[in-house]
Amino acid sequence: GAVVSQHPSRVICKSGTSVKIECRSLDFQATTMFWYRQFPKQSLMLMATSNEGSKATYEQGVEKDKFLINHASLTLSTLTVTSAHPEDSSFYICSARDSSDNSPLHFGNGTRLTVT
Amino acid sequence: SQQGEEDPQALSIQEGENATMNCSYKTSINNLQWYRQNSGRGLVHLILIRSNEREKHSGRLRVTLDTSKKSSSLLITASRAADTASYFCATVNTGGFKTIFGAGTRLFVKA
Repeated sequence: GAVVSQHPSRVICKSGTSVKIECRSLDFQATTMFWYRQFPKQSLMLMATSNEGSKATYEQGVEKDKFLINHASLTLSTLTVTSAHPEDSSFYICSARDSSDNSPLHFGNGTRLTVT
Repeated sequence: SQQGEEDPQALSIQEGENATMNCSYKTSINNLQWYRQNSGRGLVHLILIRSNEREKHSGRLRVTLDTSKKSSSLLITASRAADTASYFCATVNTGGFKTIFGAGTRLFVKA
């Protein structure tokens, strides 16, 4: 089945530093990937849609300069949290579809970011 | 949540009992999906039901969809301790491509 790999699974960084999270589709090509954020015991909040070869589409209230998304190939999207602050601490999850827009999402295992 | 609500927020049952979770959404949809999430992990797709379908089965899972009420339910029969997880409904809007998640139900199955 379709596999999405996300790395790292956990990262701890200091305030003011930047952190890059990678999301790879291992056995399929993904022209579109989706980045979600999840707070403890809450639902997934869509942050942005990552489009291969073009700019990402951000949801309302998500700062594009804070959360930089690059989708340089059909199998890799990256999310960089720039100048991280403690309030950016969260669980970030990427996902992609392997076929039509109506097909289910395949998720990475998520990245637990802790900013100290 | 960005799309709708789920109830109950949390559910605790004994192994062997059935678990029912409900989901409501706000807009017209192409399909509704149910996902499972173990603590600290990504989500796993369970079942997808299209807007023109009313009921779907997969193993011990039964999903219903009522588009007139904009609601869906997920029934897990003969629950097992391994079913302990959070369950989320998610929708793709008519004409859209984004998947929006409900608030989720945390299920705890006691052995």
